[in-house]
Amino acid sequence: QSVLTQPPSASGTPGQRVTISCSGSSSNIGSNTVNWYQQLPGTAPKLLIYSNNQRPSGVPDRFSGSKSGTSASLAISGLQSEDEADYYCAAWDDSLNAFYVFGTGTKVTVL
Amino acid sequence: QITLKESGPTLVKPTQTLTLTCTFSGFSLSTSGVGVGWIRQPPGKALEWLALIYWDDDKRYSPSLKSRLTITKDTSKNQVVLTMTNMDPVDTATYYCAHVDTAMVFDYWGQGTLVTVSS
Repeated sequence: QSVLTQPPSASGTPGQRVTISCSGSSSNIGSNTVNWYQQLPGTAPKLLIYSNNQRPSGVPDRFSGSKSGTSASLAISGLQSEDEADYYCAAWDDSLNAFYVFGTGTKVTVL
Repeated sequence: QITLKESGPTLVKPTQTLTLTCTFSGFSLSTSGVGVGWIRQPPGKALEWLALIYWDDDKRYSPSLKSRLTITKDTSKNQVVLTMTNMDPVDTATYYCAHVDTAMVFDYWGQGTLVTVSS
C-alpha cells in the first residue's frame, strides 16, 4: 500500500549524475522528513540519507537528498558501478494513527 | 556495535500464525527514543513496513495489516517478537527487523529471514 511513488528505473554511465524522484502527499512528505535506503543485490537495505539531506557516517558525499513540498529527490553524482542497486524513499505518514511508508523503489543501473 | 538477527520458521502453512523473533545487541530497548521495527519484502517486490515498538512500549502498526499483527518486547532478553495471524501465500517474503533511532529512522538492519507460506 505504498503511497510514495518512484520511477521504476533509472540509469547512467559511470561518472554521470542520476536523480530519483519520490512523490508523496501532505500527510507524509509534506509533513515529515524523508529518508532514503539503498539495497544492493541480495543484501538488507542500508540507510543512505535521513532527515531529507543528512548522510550517516560512511556514506559518500556523492549521495545527496532534497525535499520540496510533497516531493523529494535523491541525487547520485559521479555514478559508480557499485551504486547499482535498488533505492527506496520513506517517510512517516501522519494519517491513520501514524505509520511508516516506503516508496515503490527505483532500480539504478550503471551502463 | 549494533546488530540484529531475525529468527523463526522458514515455512508456514496457510492460516497458521507466524512468530518471528528479533534478537539484538549493542543497544537497550529501555533507552529513551529507541525502537525496533519490522519490515518485509516479497520476492522481487518493494519494502513494506509492518510494525514498530518503542522503548516506552508505544506500538505502531501498518493500517492494512493491523488486525493480524502483534509486536511485543522483552527488554531483559534484548528481543522483539512479531506475530502475524492467518498467514497466506501472499505473505511469502523476507522479513527484516531494524533498529529505530531518535530520528525515527531505521539505521541498522538485520540480515533478514525468508518465510514461505505454502501447504
